[in-house]
Amino acid sequence: AQSVTQPDIHITVSEGASLELRCNYSYGATPYLFWYVQSPGQGLQLLLKYFSGDTLVQGIKGFEAEFKRSQSSFNLRKPSVHWSDAAEYFCAVGPGTNNDMRFGAGTRLTVKP
Amino acid sequence: EAGVVQSPRYKIIEKKQPVAFWCNPISGHNTLYWYLQNLGQGPELLIRYENEEAVDDSQLPKDRFSAERLKGVDSTLKIQPAELGDSAVYLCASSKDSRDGELFFGEGSRLTVL
Repeated sequence: AQSVTQPDIHITVSEGASLELRCNYSYGATPYLFWYVQSPGQGLQLLLKYFSGDTLVQGIKGFEAEFKRSQSSFNLRKPSVHWSDAAEYFCAVGPGTNNDMRFGAGTRLTVKP
Repeated sequence: EAGVVQSPRYKIIEKKQPVAFWCNPISGHNTLYWYLQNLGQGPELLIRYENEEAVDDSQLPKDRFSAERLKGVDSTLKIQPAELGDSAVYLCASSKDSRDGELFFGEGSRLTVL
């Protein structure tokens, strides 16, 4: 069964600094990979997704992620963080054999002024 | 385009009471999901519908939880009776095609059981 690990529970960065959120997955075949963002009191919103092709994918709000098969990783990056990026970020993998999406436990991002 | 709508946003009940959550998916989305999100955790699937058929309910605690999706559009998730451990956010999501995994989420229904 597929699974997702987000090693960092909480990350704090200064506004304007670069950001990288880590995601490792376990999956038997070529995975579909996703990053979602959840602002306080809001539902999850899709930032970007990887299905196939170019391993560097661009998303909304200036985010990008790189699929590295050899490392089973799909890390999320942003060159310059804005205060409004403070939120919870979830990596997800799927759909699996049961069309099931599996989410990581999330990484909470705090942005310092 | 309207997003996924859930109600109520917040519900506080005493244990052993029943509670129901409602979800209206995005128009044209055939797949509907109910997820449970505990504090500090990622969403966990409770049940997935393809149109009106529940195709994956393996994680739904069937002794107290039930769900329905009449006519393949709106859905209701019910808990009866509620327990303290059911306090969580219940998320509804929909997608055009379950095979591509792109989900659109509602804002969630936060349940507090006292």
